[in-house]
Amino acid sequence: SQQGEEDPQALSIQEGENATMNCSYKTSINNLQWYRQNSGRGLVHLILIRSNEREKHSGRLRVTLDTSKKSSSLLITASRAADTASYFCATDPIQGAQKLVFGQGTRLTINP
Amino acid sequence: DVKVTQSSRYLVKRTGEKVFLECVQDMDHENMFWYRQDPGLGLRLIYFSYDVKMKEKGDIPEGYSVSREKKERFSLILESASTNQTSMYLCASSLFARGVYNEQFFGPGTRLTVL
Repeated sequence: SQQGEEDPQALSIQEGENATMNCSYKTSINNLQWYRQNSGRGLVHLILIRSNEREKHSGRLRVTLDTSKKSSSLLITASRAADTASYFCATDPIQGAQKLVFGQGTRLTINP
Repeated sequence: DVKVTQSSRYLVKRTGEKVFLECVQDMDHENMFWYRQDPGLGLRLIYFSYDVKMKEKGDIPEGYSVSREKKERFSLILESASTNQTSMYLCASSLFARGVYNEQFFGPGTRLTVL
């Protein structure tokens, strides 16, 4: 199966709540990245976490990385309607593929 | 700000036509990528290039070719368009430093319909 699998596939929450998305991967990585895609648009880079980092913050975003479990989570705090989008994780594998490998994404809907 | 532009947002072509999708980046990035995105399949890499005149096949290169004559421009070519190539096409660029891939900057996408 594909490296970088997001869970859940879809998430719907109320505005103001926190949203958590998870990503699992299979091989050792240099870094893991999270991207956002608004409907019908290109992807926008949100945050990059390196393999020797465990947690990273950027504004309302918090990313964790557990290399022993080969998993990452993206937490969006105090969600807003503008956060409605698809969120993708992408991994940079140490060996093998000389490219980022994207998951299939989590579709997040923030209800007003 | 990094800017990646794609020649068209929407494109409609007929089966058998030769189609050119152009991508230009203004950040002097070495690496450029072409993906297609389909519902339920996520992003799939078609081709990438790590230098002028260099290209590497991605996961689904069949039916496509690419050209990179200048560092800032990466073209995707559908030699003979088919209906199963109807998709959203995304171009991206990135730096490649110290053996790792850094963040990718994406263009707005081209939604191609082949009739």
